[in-house]
Amino acid sequence: QVQLQESGPGLVKPSETLSLTCTVSGGSINSYYWSWIRQPPGKGLDWIGYIHWTGSTNYNPSLTSRVTISVDTSKDQFSLKLTSVTAADTAVYYCARFQYYRDSYEYTAYFDSWGQGTLVTVSS
Amino acid sequence: QAVLTQPSSLSASPGASASLTCTLRSGINVGTYRIYWYQQKPGSPPQYLLRYNSDSDKQQGSGVPSRFSGSKDASANAGILLISGLQSEDEADYYCMIWHSNAVVFGGGTKLTVL
Repeated sequence: QVQLQESGPGLVKPSETLSLTCTVSGGSINSYYWSWIRQPPGKGLDWIGYIHWTGSTNYNPSLTSRVTISVDTSKDQFSLKLTSVTAADTAVYYCARFQYYRDSYEYTAYFDSWGQGTLVTVSS
Repeated sequence: QAVLTQPSSLSASPGASASLTCTLRSGINVGTYRIYWYQQKPGSPPQYLLRYNSDSDKQQGSGVPSRFSGSKDASANAGILLISGLQSEDEADYYCMIWHSNAVVFGGGTKLTVL
């Protein structure tokens, strides 16, 4: 069973860059898509973007100007950078495995494994 | 108008059934989308429950009990998560999701209270 673990600073100052890493264990990062999702305190889920193990990416249009997701297959890790953060970026950040493929009907796209999440607070 | 709209809360009694709706925005036809459902309990990440498109195109998440099932209401342009034989452990937030215009879209979530 694949496991994911987020790591990174829990406090980031406004206007600075939020950086998180997700380490995948119990399976290889190869052959899959991987994603970041966030959840502001007391609110719903917000998809940030995904990366394929080969490096191709797709981001939420509302965040694309500030987001970069990268992958390091040698370490079974993928990372998130979010620039110019504000208090609105305060959230629990989850990494997840993204099952994205085409079957006999159409595309399947869902998250089947999640990390426990890490709270990132944006405050001076 | 949001792409996916869910009622913010729903209450039901133990042993009863609960229908959680996920309404697609006007102009987006539920008949052409696979609807995915997640359950989230306090302090935990979401867990994948199931996918529903039609009775011939559906998928149950690994280890998810059969009392969780999906359907659609075409007249309401909505996906439905049906939970039968409600148990206290089903008290949680439930989110629907679709793949729309090359992006993941979540509904705002429904808080299900079992009392």
